[in-house]
Amino acid sequence: DARVTQTPRHKVTEMGQEVTMRCQPILGHNTVFWYRQTMMQGLELLAYFRNRAPLDDSGMPKDRFSAEMPDATLATLKIQPSEPRDSAVYFCASGLVPSGRPPTDTQYFGPGTRLTVL
Amino acid sequence: AQTVTQSQPEMSVQEAETVTLSCTYDTSESDYYLFWYKQPPSRQMILVIRQEAYKQQNATENRFSVNFQKAAKSFSLKISDSQLGDAAMYFCASFPSGTYKYIFGTGTRLKVLA
Repeated sequence: DARVTQTPRHKVTEMGQEVTMRCQPILGHNTVFWYRQTMMQGLELLAYFRNRAPLDDSGMPKDRFSAEMPDATLATLKIQPSEPRDSAVYFCASGLVPSGRPPTDTQYFGPGTRLTVL
Repeated sequence: AQTVTQSQPEMSVQEAETVTLSCTYDTSESDYYLFWYKQPPSRQMILVIRQEAYKQQNATENRFSVNFQKAAKSFSLKISDSQLGDAAMYFCASFPSGTYKYIFGTGTRLKVLA
């Protein structure tokens, strides 16, 4: 049963610390999305990768957030330095987009990382 | 701006009864996809049902079905024979073809009463 995995599931840290969240997309998927979910803002798209290339990170605070895909099986979202307002659940999702065509298929979500910044 | 509106923050249904969750959307795209996702207390986002806008036939998945009214831009979810395990937040989302961005509604919390 293929699924997106995320680690850690929970993270509590102090303000100013670096936080790294990891995501393993479903094998064979070529798109990866990072979302942030808060009560106030709902689900927000932070970044989008296609074939490991970042296509859109306009939803991400550039001064402290960074997203990368070192290889096809790993996506990372890093916050440095973290702040209390970053407390949220961070979701990774993956999908499959045929080459040369726009995305039309379903995104499959991971279980999320609940981040608490004290 | 493209939007998805879920006007019911919370709904309750008796076990074994039927409930309908409302969703309206606004898009300028001619081709798009619509989804309902379920988020139980575990936080996992689970796909419930998917509808392609060019298809007139309403999508159905076991006890879950949609009423897709394209002209009215309405996409409601009907849950039949509600079960305790259906209790969750339900998110409606649109996905304009040619983009990569889901547009999510604010969610409806469904409570199932035993």
